[in-house]
Amino acid sequence: GQNIDQPTEMTATEGAIVQINCTYQTSGFNGLFWYQQHAGEAPTFLSYNVLDGLEEKGRFSSFLSRSKGYSYLLLKELQMKDSASYLCAVRDSNYQLIWGAGTKLIIKP
Amino acid sequence: SQTIHQWPATLVQPVGSPLSLECTVEGTSNPNLYWYRQAAGRGLQLLFYSVGIGQISSEVPQNLSASRPQDRQFILSSKKLLLSDSGFYLCAWSVPGQDYNEQFFGPGTRLTVL
Repeated sequence: GQNIDQPTEMTATEGAIVQINCTYQTSGFNGLFWYQQHAGEAPTFLSYNVLDGLEEKGRFSSFLSRSKGYSYLLLKELQMKDSASYLCAVRDSNYQLIWGAGTKLIIKP
Repeated sequence: SQTIHQWPATLVQPVGSPLSLECTVEGTSNPNLYWYRQAAGRGLQLLFYSVGIGQISSEVPQNLSASRPQDRQFILSSKKLLLSDSGFYLCAWSVPGQDYNEQFFGPGTRLTVL
């Protein structure tokens, strides 16, 4: 079967750095997405990785290792508004997105 | 620019009642369209997707159905709601034929079946 694993919840301090991990087992791989979802709202796109390595976009970076079936989202200089759920999704061989359950990130002052 | 609309924003329905949720996209042509359901504390479950008018693919067998009567209109329906149909329903669109294939989500409909 297809499976995406993420920690259920993480807590971090304002101004700090946090890394949210995602491991996947899917039938084929055609890219990995990270989305941010604030409570009660729709997900919004953060990043996309299809090749191994690190993609940096401002305070957010995303890393991919296809051989290990592993990705992480790195958030730097955390702000209170970063409190949200972070969803990892993998596009499989049929070009459909398989979604993880999301990681709820709690930022404390 | 492209926008995606969903309505209603919230809905409370009794068990056994019918359902119709509507999604429309503006500013793009022939988008791929998707219906997802998100249960509380869970990930997104793909229900239906469509690559064109009248073309619907179902991912999960259930008492829901979808239709695409116009290029930028996607409707989710049920003849008789179940308690388990409660959840947050999200419509999304993407540009077809692009490797990137980012999905853009509508604001969602929160459905409570009592």
